[in-house]
Amino acid sequence: DAKTTQPPSMDCAEGRAANLPCNHSTISGNEYVYWYRQIHSQGPQYIIHGLKNNETNEMASLIITEDRKSSTLILPHATLRDTAVYYCIVKMNTGFQKLVFGTGTRLLVSP
Amino acid sequence: GAVVSQHPSWVICKSGTSVKIECRSLDFQATTMFWYRQFPKQSLMLMATSNEGSKATYEQGVEKDKFLINHASLTLSTLTVTSAHPEDSSFYICSAKGRGGPRNEQFFGPGTRLTVL
Repeated sequence: DAKTTQPPSMDCAEGRAANLPCNHSTISGNEYVYWYRQIHSQGPQYIIHGLKNNETNEMASLIITEDRKSSTLILPHATLRDTAVYYCIVKMNTGFQKLVFGTGTRLLVSP
Repeated sequence: GAVVSQHPSWVICKSGTSVKIECRSLDFQATTMFWYRQFPKQSLMLMATSNEGSKATYEQGVEKDKFLINHASLTLSTLTVTSAHPEDSSFYICSAKGRGGPRNEQFFGPGTRLTVL
């Protein structure tokens, strides 16, 4: 699986959009981009995933660049409960589908 | 939907004893379950992958005789930490994946915090 690079930490004001970047320059054509988050002392929570088109659900939007070498997770109106570690993972959508977690981005949403 | 539970949520045991952690998929059949370990301020590390009815596949460096995994049914997997030692103290998290559709993604349990004295 391709590796990802994320900033170690980011801050965001409550109510503003949080834009979390992820670089995955070695992604292969059949690998998807997945985003999970982990609130302190809880199990990870699935957020969103995509292959090459932008995706949106009730939690977030995922913007993938045309060359697929990077992506951005957007939380449109961050709340204090969005404070968590966000993990960007690339993997194929086949087989045992192992998730390999990197160090993620620690997002702190402040009042 | 797609709820995964773990029991217990925390456990404290004496060094040398064995501890069993249960992982259940409550509203879907989990064809594959994964076990992770997370030390303080570190990321999740995959320990093993198990498919229902077959032996688990362990990641490199994980002792299969120490961390016994049983995936006896489509809704239950257990991790037994045998002869636990203080260095086994960690946050153990399972995840479950169904077959096709929305359940094809991995859904995580809330984790079990193990403290070995």
